[in-house]
Amino acid sequence: GAGVSQSPSNKVTEKGKDVELRCDPISGHTALYWYRQSLGQGLEFLIYFQGNSAPDKSGLPSDRFSAERTGGSVSTLTIQRTQQEDSAVYLCASSLALGDPEAFFGQGTRLTVV
Amino acid sequence: GEDVEQSLFLSVREGDSSVINCTYTDSSSTYLYWYKQEPGAGLQLLTYIFSNMDMKQDQRLTVLLNKKDKHLSLRIADTQTGDSAIYFCAVLPGYSSASKIIFGSGTRLSIRP
Repeated sequence: GAGVSQSPSNKVTEKGKDVELRCDPISGHTALYWYRQSLGQGLEFLIYFQGNSAPDKSGLPSDRFSAERTGGSVSTLTIQRTQQEDSAVYLCASSLALGDPEAFFGQGTRLTVV
Repeated sequence: GEDVEQSLFLSVREGDSSVINCTYTDSSSTYLYWYKQEPGAGLQLLTYIFSNMDMKQDQRLTVLLNKKDKHLSLRIADTQTGDSAIYFCAVLPGYSSASKIIFGSGTRLSIRP
């Protein structure tokens, strides 16, 4: 596609439910990143993928968070047993390769946990 | 780890120049970025500079890098209402395992008539 695509754009969920967020990177981009932006805050790094592997999971806030990427393309970020503090905008970015200076962001998924 | 700091707010008059400042801690940072986020939108890469450069100019945008002071600035000439947004400073750390861009908290630029 022309840009990084994320879905859904908005998600409201009840506390305790699981949610799945999807990111479709720019075609041909091997590196994919997930960030979280809480209200009025900067971007908090969550996890990155090079191809299908995620060598660094240290940014995930808790074991309720997991992410996978299959086929070197689409990635899903799953949050289990959502809590109100999980409410944020989840941003996905991709770049041609890991360490490439140009990373392009999607529009984000706004998650609200009620 | 790397820390990136920037002021939260800046207000300028339309037509004036805006200067948004940023400081960072990792002196070996390789790339330094400015991203723009308009209301309800994702992040748009405005420009970036490699660490061996002091300045980069792109139309109304001028990026200045002072490596000694670990200070990065973005100057927007002839600021327009369409420049209203949050501007994020970001850096790619220089350590070998660096793979993620570290962002500041963003500076909200508002334009007054």
